[in-house]
Amino acid sequence: GQSLEQPSEVTAVEGAIVQINCTYQTSGFYGLSWYQQHDGGAPTFLSYNALDGLEETGRFSSFLSRSDSYGYLLLQELQMKDSASYFCAVREDTGGFKTIFGAGTRLFVKA
Amino acid sequence: SQTIHQWPATLVQPVGSPLSLECTVEGTSNPNLYWYRQAAGRGLQLLFYSVGIGQISSEVPQNLSASRPQDRQFILSSKKLLLSDSGFYLCAWISGGGNEQFFGPGTRLTVL
Repeated sequence: GQSLEQPSEVTAVEGAIVQINCTYQTSGFYGLSWYQQHDGGAPTFLSYNALDGLEETGRFSSFLSRSDSYGYLLLQELQMKDSASYFCAVREDTGGFKTIFGAGTRLFVKA
Repeated sequence: SQTIHQWPATLVQPVGSPLSLECTVEGTSNPNLYWYRQAAGRGLQLLFYSVGIGQISSEVPQNLSASRPQDRQFILSSKKLLLSDSGFYLCAWISGGGNEQFFGPGTRLTVL
């Protein structure tokens, strides 16, 4: 079966760095994505890793270790607007690019 | 540019009533299409996905069904709604060679 584990909540202060971990168990792993969702809104894409290593996009970075079935999202220079839910999602190597989402991590950024 | 539309934005339906939610994509062809449901404060549950017209894969057995009558149209239906069908329904698409899923604005369904 498929499963993704990520912390339910993380709290950090403005300007800090926070890391949100994700471990997964799936068949036919193709890649790991991260999405951000603000209250009441739709998820928006942040990053995608298919190969081991770190991908950096501005203040956000994402890491993948395929051998450990593990990834993380790193948010730097936190801002209040970063308060949101963050989801890791595994894309499976099946027809249709089936994507399974984790339960999400609620990030609270405090002043 | 590509856009994705969903309607209605909100819906309140009585238990046992039918349901039809529509999703359309513009600006792309032959997208892979997805229906997700999100309960309050929870993650996204994949319900259905489609790689082409008339091709539907179901992920969770339930009283919902999906259809894809046209390349860029994806419909979620139910003959009789249950209380447990309440939630935030999201349609998404991805291009064949892409890595990013684009989500529609969602439909918030309340079954009373």
